[in-house]
Parts: sequence; C-alpha cells; structure tokens
Amino acid sequence: GAVVSQHPSWVICKSGTSVKIECRSLDFQATTMFWYRQFPKQSLMLMATSNEGSKATYEQGVEKDKFLINHASLTLSTLTVTSAHPEDSSFYICSARLSSGRNEQFFGPGTRLTVL
Amino acid sequence: AQKITQTQPGMFVQEKEAVTLDCTYDTSDPSYGLFWYKQPSSGEMIFLIYQGSYDQQNATEGRYSLNFQKARKSANLVISASQLGDSAMYFCAMRGNQGGKLIFGQGTELSVKP
Repeated sequence: GAVVSQHPSWVICKSGTSVKIECRSLDFQATTMFWYRQFPKQSLMLMATSNEGSKATYEQGVEKDKFLINHASLTLSTLTVTSAHPEDSSFYICSARLSSGRNEQFFGPGTRLTVL
Repeated sequence: AQKITQTQPGMFVQEKEAVTLDCTYDTSDPSYGLFWYKQPSSGEMIFLIYQGSYDQQNATEGRYSLNFQKARKSANLVISASQLGDSAMYFCAMRGNQGGKLIFGQGTELSVKP
C-alpha cells in the first residue's frame, strides 16, 4: 500500500511554544490530507481537511488560529500547534487519500505531542 | 449528519476462534464507504477491509470479512481464526460525500486469549 510518513514521531515541548508536525505522502500525490487527534483510549477525531493550494477546512470546534495547516505541495502537509498548552497533548495522525476513484485511505504513524 | 457507533468497548476471544465486532452507521448519503482499521499499541492505523454501499457482495480480505447489512445499517467485522497478534483496538469508519473525510466509531478493544 501507499506510504504516509510523519515527522517527528514524538515531541516534548514547553507550554507556550509552537510545534510543527509534517505529513508526507512518499510514493503518491495527495491533493487532500486529513488531520486527526486522538486522546488515550478514545477514537480519532477529525480536526481539519487539508487541500493542496488552498485553505484548510476545519471541523466545528477546532480553532484554526491555534492549529495552522499548510498544504504547500502534493506530497506535504504541515500542522503547527501554536502556543501549545498541556491540554494540547495528544496523538496527532495524518491521513491521505489516493486519487479520486480509489477507496483506500492511508494513515501516517502518528506524532505524540507532550506539552509540559 | 453521519454517525458511526461501536457498542462494544472491549471484547475477549479465545485464540483460533472467530469473533464479530459490531458497527452500525447512519447517513443520508446514497453512496458511502465503510472501513475497518486496526490500531495496535504502537498507534499506527492499519487498513483492514472496505465495503462500498453499492457492493453486492460482502467484502473479504484473508481472515477478515465484513458482514454488510444495508437495511439494518450495520457493517460488522468478522475475524476468523483469531491470533494473539490480533489483540488491538479496532475502529469502524465511514466516508460519505462530504469531501472524502472519514468519520470513526468509538472503537472496540479486542483481546485474544491464548
């Protein structure tokens, strides 16, 4: 299957700092990527849909100024958690879909963010 | 609005036996897709199986099969011949016509006993 990578796999930062997470599709082009967050023992909650070359579409209740998404190319989307606080500590997972007409949707390995 | 429901927070199964994980859904989209993913403790999401709403036959992938009952809006995952490595969280997900995003159920934690 297609490969989606995320970097870093884990990060620890101090409260008030910003953290950037990268999501790359390694062997295919993804015009659309999705960002999820997952708290321990809970489901994946969709945060936003990242579209190459345009603004991201955020789900209700997700602060767009806090979670900045940039989809600058067909293989890279970034999520920046600005002014992170302990409540932002979570597992962040990106996902990319193959071109329309294909059903598969592949996930990155996730990034575990801990804010002290 | 779309909704996915998994009512089994946890399930136990004896090694080599079959187990069914329940999933019901609700959508007004005429065309949709249903997915099952496995999430081991490492956190990665592993795609298991896909069922399209217009598919006539139930999907099968190796030891995984999807019991799709459209009228009941259910898409249960059946794992045959359970293995110890099947112990993980299992998520049911649905994709409708809203930009391709996947909506997930609450998950079921499966434990396979030796």
